[in-house]
Amino acid sequence: KQEVTQIPAALSVPEGENLVLNCSFTDSAIYNLQWFRQDPGKGLTSLLLIQSSQREQTSGRLNASLDKSSGRSTLYIAASQPGDSATYLCAVRMPGGGADGLTFGKGTHLIIQP
Amino acid sequence: DTAVSQTPKYLVTQMGNDKSIKCEQNLGHDTMYWYKQDSKKFLKIMFSYNNKELIINETVPNRFSPKSPDKAHLNLHINSLELGDSAVYFCASSRGTSAAYEQYFGPGTRLTVT
Repeated sequence: KQEVTQIPAALSVPEGENLVLNCSFTDSAIYNLQWFRQDPGKGLTSLLLIQSSQREQTSGRLNASLDKSSGRSTLYIAASQPGDSATYLCAVRMPGGGADGLTFGKGTHLIIQP
Repeated sequence: DTAVSQTPKYLVTQMGNDKSIKCEQNLGHDTMYWYKQDSKKFLKIMFSYNNKELIINETVPNRFSPKSPDKAHLNLHINSLELGDSAVYFCASSRGTSAAYEQYFGPGTRLTVT
């Protein structure tokens, strides 16, 4: 059974710092991996989707890497801003067709101090 | 131009009641999902529907029944509500059942059972 773990559970850093969020998964046979952002009282916003054949994806100040063989992904946030404060969720999708849902980690609660 | 919408946003009800949560997507997607986020913030798949057919049904009580009047809607009906049903319920949709398709999430419905 796939399990997704995110470290750290919470992180607080001063504005302007670069930071890394970690995600690990037990079954490396994933189809893709997605990073989401969850704001209080709001839904999940997809940030980056990495297919299993890819090593990384970039969007603005965000860079996500994937090391499928070791079961790890990182989300790098450059020049953090207070508006980046949110919970960041990592989720993996397994192959095999059908309509399997995403398997989520518990998230990293990020606070960027002004 | 909301992509995935849910109503209501908040729902407070007493044990034993029956309630429904509605979900609508205007993306033209064929597959819709319901996820539950419990008090520990763990997001888990409950159901998915493809072209109005139930594809998977994770081990949820049969008090929960998804109902899809058409492919743009997937409502969640809950009978005989229990305290443990208190959670945030998220609806999501994707173009199809392929693992390659991103899932788009609604804003969530916070259900509180007293």
